[in-house]
Amino acid sequence: AQRVTQPEKLLSVFKGAPVELKCNYSYSGSPELFWYVQYSRQRLQLLLRHISRESIKGFTADLNKGETSFHLKKPFAQEEDSAMYYCALSGGSSNTGKLIFGQGTTLQVKP
Amino acid sequence: DTGVSQNPRHKITKRGQNVTFRCDPISEHNRLYWYRQTLGQGPEFLTYFQNEAQLEKSRLLSDRFSAERPKGSFSTLEIQRTEQGDSAMYLCASNQLWVNAFFGQGTRLTVV
Repeated sequence: AQRVTQPEKLLSVFKGAPVELKCNYSYSGSPELFWYVQYSRQRLQLLLRHISRESIKGFTADLNKGETSFHLKKPFAQEEDSAMYYCALSGGSSNTGKLIFGQGTTLQVKP
Repeated sequence: DTGVSQNPRHKITKRGQNVTFRCDPISEHNRLYWYRQTLGQGPEFLTYFQNEAQLEKSRLLSDRFSAERPKGSFSTLEIQRTEQGDSAMYLCASNQLWVNAFFGQGTRLTVV
């Protein structure tokens, strides 16, 4: 079964502390993995995708196929990083582009 | 705003009534998706269109739900005989092959 698991509903850190948002997935095949972010009162937007291997707003994520994980990391959290973060996967031979989302993790960065 | 547009933003309806939501995708995007998001959950896939063809429907999409995308442009999602369990945020997204999906701001449905 295709599934994305984000074990933490809430992650609270102080400004300047490192952040790691966990994401594990279950998928038979080679999925594409994404992190989406939703800031307060804004629409869901793409933060990064694993195939582009780029760093956005200081965030990085490495796909670990052995551990089926795609954890999101940032070395020094900023207050403006406070938001809801969703891990998602897409894949399949038909490549419809539909996304399977995790339940989301709220990141709270305290001053 | 040239992004994905959804209307209405909020809808309150009585149980048993029919409701219809509209999504206007980014104009050059040929793929359109509907998702449903309930409190504390991530978005769940409902259905997918490529141009005007509805190519995939989730088991979540009961017989009371119907979606259309005439002429491959805007899309509508209709819920007939609404139930309280239909209360959720309904999200629309669009993209084209190899391009990231862009989401609308959603329609929040409350069934009373």
